[in-house]
Amino acid sequence: DQQVKQNSPSLSVQEGRISILNCDYTNSMFDYFLWYKKYPAEGPTFLISISSIKDKNEDGRFTVFLNKSAKHLSLHIVPSQPGDSAVYFCAASPGGGADGLTFGKGTHLIIQP
Amino acid sequence: EPEVTQTPSHQVTQMGQEVILRCVPISNHLYFYWYRQILGQKVEFLVSFYNNEISEKSEIFDDQFSVERPDGSNFTLKIRSTKLEDSAMYFCASKLDLDGYTFGSGTRLTVV
Repeated sequence: DQQVKQNSPSLSVQEGRISILNCDYTNSMFDYFLWYKKYPAEGPTFLISISSIKDKNEDGRFTVFLNKSAKHLSLHIVPSQPGDSAVYFCAASPGGGADGLTFGKGTHLIIQP
Repeated sequence: EPEVTQTPSHQVTQMGQEVILRCVPISNHLYFYWYRQILGQKVEFLVSFYNNEISEKSEIFDDQFSVERPDGSNFTLKIRSTKLEDSAMYFCASKLDLDGYTFGSGTRLTVV
């Protein structure tokens, strides 16, 4: 039962270009969405989040777009840098408080020089 | 920058033994979590803890598991009678409010 789906296991992008990572969800109760970045042997690192009342949130090179009607969100990284190479996880929760996160399986982003 | 600290980084245990995984969350955070990631699979929620009690737990978090916040700083996950399928990376996380979950670097548990 995949409530959060990241259908691309990997993505290769040239340095300087835009990286677009996609995520779909099925649970209508999800109200809060986050993107995490993970390097091997480290814990996930929070990147950016968005609540369902917004359709866009921007932080530096990272922008998250949310399309509630399509139950789809995406993370845009521009320009992509070599240090962005990592596994990116989309996560969702029904809201704030103590709710646990439901993660997608991750997309391995590879930035090529 | 404040960190969530987990010890040990790697734990090997025999099947049937009990293990305690330790975490020191960020000091002013209010919500505490345990997640796990079995090799090659996604990160899975286990349990959340708030106001000195369990707030939410997943189906994975059965009677074999327990959590404690024995003092003002530590947050532990105990697994009684470990099974081979408990082998995974276990991540502790904490947060203050809606935003900004902070994860620890994880404990790799290997059950042999």
